[in-house]
Amino acid sequence: ELKVEQNPLFLSMQEGKNYTIYCNYSTTSDRLYWYRQDPGKSLESLFVLLSNGAVKQEGRLMASLDTKARLSTLHITAAVHDLSATYFCAVDRASSYGKLTFGQGTILTVHP
Amino acid sequence: GAGVSQTPSNKVTEKGKYVELRCDPISGHTALYWYRQSLGQGPEFLIYFQGTGAADDSGLPNDRFFAVRPEGSVSTLKIQRTERGDSAVYLCASSSGGGTEAFFGQGTRLTVV
Repeated sequence: ELKVEQNPLFLSMQEGKNYTIYCNYSTTSDRLYWYRQDPGKSLESLFVLLSNGAVKQEGRLMASLDTKARLSTLHITAAVHDLSATYFCAVDRASSYGKLTFGQGTILTVHP
Repeated sequence: GAGVSQTPSNKVTEKGKYVELRCDPISGHTALYWYRQSLGQGPEFLIYFQGTGAADDSGLPNDRFFAVRPEGSVSTLKIQRTERGDSAVYLCASSSGGGTEAFFGQGTRLTVV
């Protein structure tokens, strides 16, 4: 059974600081996704990582993938309040693209 | 439409009642997915349609849950004899198929009282 675990589950950050969210998955997967969810809203796609060593950056967020370790990281640089949200990682396999298995989510709060 | 549309946005129903949740995918998208997100959890896969047929319904929790997509576009998730444990946000997503990325709708928040 494919399992996805995120840590930490709760993250309280000061503005301007850096931090990393970790996502581990239990068995071989083909794609790794990062999503953002604001309260009461749907999922916004941030990154799709396809191969070992993939790194993608958008603004203050950078995601990377190590398929050998079955680990992805979402690094936050110089956090700002607008980044406060819940972040999910998810994986799927080539045999069933779109059938996503999600982690529990990391609730990020950025305060002054 | 421009995005995946789900109706209603909120639904409150009494325990034991029947409910239908509707999903309008992005025009032309052949693949459609339903997920359920309980409070404080990540979404969980329910069912996947490719065209009109359910390609994978392994996530449906029991036989009270059923989904259809008769014309390969709009899909309806049907829940019979609702229970309080069915309370959750039900998310729909669609894609062009063939491994392309899926886009999520706003969800329907179902509350069973």
